[in-house]
Amino acid sequence: AQSVAQPEDQVNVAEGNPLTVKCTYSVSGNPYLFWYVQYPNRGLQFLLKYITGDNLVKGSYGFEAEFNKSQTSFHLKKPSALVSDSALYFCAVESGYSTLTFGKGTMLLVSP
Amino acid sequence: DAGVIQSPRHEVTEMGQEVTLRCKPISGHDYLFWYRQTMMRGLELLIYFNNNVPIDDSGMPEDRFSAKMPNASFSTLKIQPSEPRDSAVYFCASRAGGYDIQYFGAGTRLSVL
Repeated sequence: AQSVAQPEDQVNVAEGNPLTVKCTYSVSGNPYLFWYVQYPNRGLQFLLKYITGDNLVKGSYGFEAEFNKSQTSFHLKKPSALVSDSALYFCAVESGYSTLTFGKGTMLLVSP
Repeated sequence: DAGVIQSPRHEVTEMGQEVTLRCKPISGHDYLFWYRQTMMRGLELLIYFNNNVPIDDSGMPEDRFSAKMPNASFSTLKIQPSEPRDSAVYFCASRAGGYDIQYFGAGTRLSVL
């Protein structure tokens, strides 16, 4: 079985500061990892994915994520947060089942 | 492409009534997924189709729920009879192939009174 853990329900950061949203995963095979973002009253939007290759993945809106196999982590990062980044962020993993398993989500609040 | 299109956006119904949610996937996508999102349980996969064939419906909560995909451009999720605990946001998503990006619709917010 595959699973994803997002240990923080909420992350608070001031605008202009770096942000990190944490994610760890558990799979039996090679992981395929994704980050999605959900704005209020909207569907999930794709941010970035790791399939293979470079451990640092760059995605939309200046976000990036670092794949760490030894720590089974895939933390989402951004060097300088914007108020408009405030949203619900989901980490997800896929490994041989054709389906994504999502974490419970982390609410990111960026204060002005 | 207009993306994944879901209708209606909002549905309010009374307990015991039949509810039908609709989804039009992105043209050319082989996979279609139905999810349910609630505060308590987060995002749950209900069922998914590959080439219009249901592959895994283990997430469907009970026999009151059914889903169909009669062709590559249309799918429905039906709840009959509906109950208040079915109140949630239901999302449809599609993707082109394995390990590829899933594209989500805007969702249907269902309220069962």
